[in-house]
Amino acid sequence: DGGITQSPKYLFRKEGQNVTLSCEQNLNHDAMYWYRQDPGQGLRLIYYSQIVNDFQKGDIAEGYSVSREKKESFPLTVTSAQKNPTAFYLCASSPDPNTEAFFGQGTRLTVV
Amino acid sequence: AQTVTQSQPEMSVQEAETVTLSCTYDTSESNYYLFWYKQPPSRQMILVIRQEAYKQQNATENRFSVNFQKAAKSFSLKISDSQLGDTAMYFCAFMNRDDKIIFGKGTRLHILP
Repeated sequence: DGGITQSPKYLFRKEGQNVTLSCEQNLNHDAMYWYRQDPGQGLRLIYYSQIVNDFQKGDIAEGYSVSREKKESFPLTVTSAQKNPTAFYLCASSPDPNTEAFFGQGTRLTVV
Repeated sequence: AQTVTQSQPEMSVQEAETVTLSCTYDTSESNYYLFWYKQPPSRQMILVIRQEAYKQQNATENRFSVNFQKAAKSFSLKISDSQLGDTAMYFCAFMNRDDKIIFGKGTRLHILP
């Protein structure tokens, strides 16, 4: 089935460790996005990519890194520099410019 | 900076009533796209409706319709004949010409039986 897959659904890490969240899509979409969702904060954009080998910072990129080596994959690394990494992370993709984004089911990251 | 504001953090209405969720945005661009997304308790984001700024006609999708006021930078969502399954968080979103999508903080909507 076509869709956007985020894995794992729940992720636990110790403070000070880097962790990578996976996002894969088989929809042949060009654009991909990473959002962070916290209670009362809505969805805040971390990074987005319009094309392979290119990406742009969003509003809260500090402490995060991404890569876009393949069209179907857009992994997000949460580094130890991110002060409050515990959150719900959503990945999305969009097929064409100026069309809506389709979302994965999210990854709940807990750092202890 | 482009921003999206949803002024109603939480709302409750009786089943079968009509409810309107507010959204305002700020941009200097003339062509852009606006969306309403629904996030039920499963946390899966679902597109409800979209509006292209260059179209004056308000978008409708079954019981969902928008009131798009470009000059006022307002984009409200009306849900008619509300159903229990409409209970969810609703997010207003703006897409600029660089495909950047910005979301508001959301409105939690409760449909009461």
